[in-house]
Parts: sequence; C-alpha cells; structure tokens
Amino acid sequence: DAGVIQSPRHEVTEMGQEVTLRCKPISGHNSLFWYRQTMMRGLELLIYFNNNVPIDDSGMPEDRFSAKMPNASFSTLKIQPSEPRDSAVYFCASSRSNEKLFFGSGTQLSVL
Amino acid sequence: RKEVEQDPGPFNVPEGATVAFNCTYSNSASQSFFWYRQDCRKEPKLLMSVYSSGNEDGRFTAQLNRASQYISLLIRDSKLSDSATYLCVVLTSGTYKYIFGTGTRLKVLA
Repeated sequence: DAGVIQSPRHEVTEMGQEVTLRCKPISGHNSLFWYRQTMMRGLELLIYFNNNVPIDDSGMPEDRFSAKMPNASFSTLKIQPSEPRDSAVYFCASSRSNEKLFFGSGTQLSVL
Repeated sequence: RKEVEQDPGPFNVPEGATVAFNCTYSNSASQSFFWYRQDCRKEPKLLMSVYSSGNEDGRFTAQLNRASQYISLLIRDSKLSDSATYLCVVLTSGTYKYIFGTGTRLKVLA
C-alpha cells in the first residue's frame, strides 16, 4: 500500500518567494495533518483537516501560511511570502478516525 | 507549561542495557497515547500504542499512569539499532489533535 506521499522532498528558495508543499494522504484516511519540525521547537502541529474540512489552524504561525484540502486525496500548504525563519522540515500525516498517525517523508525547506 | 513533556536526553547506554523514558501530559482529557520512533532525517514512525493496562511488544513495554498523567517506555536488551529519538504522542478526547513531545534521544553504544 502507498503511504503518505509528499512533494517535493527538498525545496530551496529565496526569501519573498511563494512555496507550495503537497501531500497525498493514505487512501481511506479521513484526517490530515501538517506539522513543522525544527531543532528548537520539535514537531509543531500547524493545521489539521477532518473529512477535508479545516478543524483547527491555531498552529499556523502567521497569515503568510495557508492550507487547503480540495478533496480527500490532496492537500497543499502554501507560504507566501517565505522568510528564512520558515526553514524547517514540513511533514504531512494522515489517520483514520483517531487511529494511528502515518507520516510522509517530509519536505526539507530552506529559505535563503 | 507544554502539553506534552519529555526529557530530551541524550541517554547513552551500553548494548544489552535496559532503559526507560517517561513522558508527562497536562490535559486530563487525553484519551489515546502512542510512542513513535524517529531516526535522523526521517519521518516519525509508530513504535507502539499505549493501553490503559500496559502492553508489551517484544523488548518494548509501554505503560500509562492516568492518575499521575504520564506514560513510560521501557526497552530491554538494547540493540545498536534502537538508537533514535523516541517521541511521546497524546490525543485529546473529542479532537483529532495529536500532540507530540519534543522527543528523547537514545544512543546505544557498542
């Protein structure tokens, strides 16, 4: 079975540019999560969706961050404009009804 | 106070040793608990769920203490391959919010 699929694996961009991260959850999972991981702050929950509806976006750091889930098999996390402090690994994860959480391989974002 | 707290370590132990980690959580409405393992530059992967009565999976034992609001992970007969960061995860009742601790780093030495 395919796991959670994220793209790109690595993204290097310049400050001020728009960045779009993509995620395909595991088929049949109804919850999707975006996390950010840094050495200083660990894994932070940014936003999560249930049945494609955003439930809690209180972890989104600023208005520069936005996330969408247009259908059950696709989600995006967008940063516009990007800043160097956004550099981190961004993970997408999915689960089925409060069961175990499965992660994608992550996107390593570097904003120069 | 953080919702989920762990000792960051590192715990350096010799091969064959027994090592234990604790994790405390602040929300008494927390309903589900997990341990995840994360290798360097990789995604977190589920190690085991934690059940109220405690549970064992090979060399790994997880326990939950609801009264004191902590969970524990015990690793017996440590292997070099157990070297990783161990993340405690808590799911609050009525939400889909999985909250991670910052992780405890374990290094098993030959």
